[in-house]
Amino acid sequence: AQKVTQAQTEISVVEKEDVTLDCVYETRDTTYYLFWYKQPPSGELVFLIRRNSFDEQNEISGRYSWNFQKSTSSFNFTITASQVVDSAVYFCALSHTNSGNEKLTFGTGTRLTIIP
Amino acid sequence: DTGVSQDPRHKITKRGQNVTFRCDPISEHNRLYWYRQTLGQGPEFLTYFQNEAQLEKSRLLSDRFSAERPKGSFSTLEIQRTEQGDSAMYLCASSLAEVYTIYFGEGSWLTVV
Repeated sequence: AQKVTQAQTEISVVEKEDVTLDCVYETRDTTYYLFWYKQPPSGELVFLIRRNSFDEQNEISGRYSWNFQKSTSSFNFTITASQVVDSAVYFCALSHTNSGNEKLTFGTGTRLTIIP
Repeated sequence: DTGVSQDPRHKITKRGQNVTFRCDPISEHNRLYWYRQTLGQGPEFLTYFQNEAQLEKSRLLSDRFSAERPKGSFSTLEIQRTEQGDSAMYLCASSLAEVYTIYFGEGSWLTVV
C-alpha cells in the first residue's frame, strides 16, 4: 500500500528563518512520482514540484529547494529566508503510476505559519 | 485564466437534498480527477476520467455519488440524499496523460446542515 507521512502537523518560524518540511513515503512501485503542493487559505492546491523515482538530484527554485533521498524514502522541502506569503498548508504526495492512473496519495499536510 | 475552474465555490444544503458540482479542466487535458478533502486531512482520491470514460472509482464513492464527463470536457459530481458526513471540500484536478503533473482547482466547499 502507498503511504505518505508528514510528521510535522504545524510549524511556526519567524520571517527570514529557514524551514524544512519533512515527507516520508512508502511504496512498492519501482517507478513513482513525488509531489509537493501548497494550499493557501483560498483552498486551491498549487503545484510546486514533481520528482520521479529515478532522479535523485536535489532541486532548487528560488527560495525553495527539495532533497530527495531514496535510501531513506524521504522527500523534504526547504524554504530559505521565509516570507509571510509562505504561510499555508503544504502537502507531500505520491503518485501511483503502474496502472497508468496518476492518482495521488497525500500526506496529512504541514501547516506553516511565518511570523512577521 | 486557463486553470481548472469549479462551480459553485460554496454550497450549503439541507440533509437529504441533492447537490451537483461542476468542473472545467484545463482545455487540453484529457484526464480529470475528483478528490475529497475534510478538515485537517489531505485530499483523498474519488474517481478519474480519461476523456469521457470513467476508469476508476474509489471505495469512498458510495452509490449516492455519481460523476460524469460527457464529451470528455467538463465534469459534474452529483451527491444524492446528502448526509452530514458529506461535508467536505470537493477538489477537481486535470492532467495530460503521461505527463504526470496534476493541476487542481480551487475546490467546492459543501456544508450539509
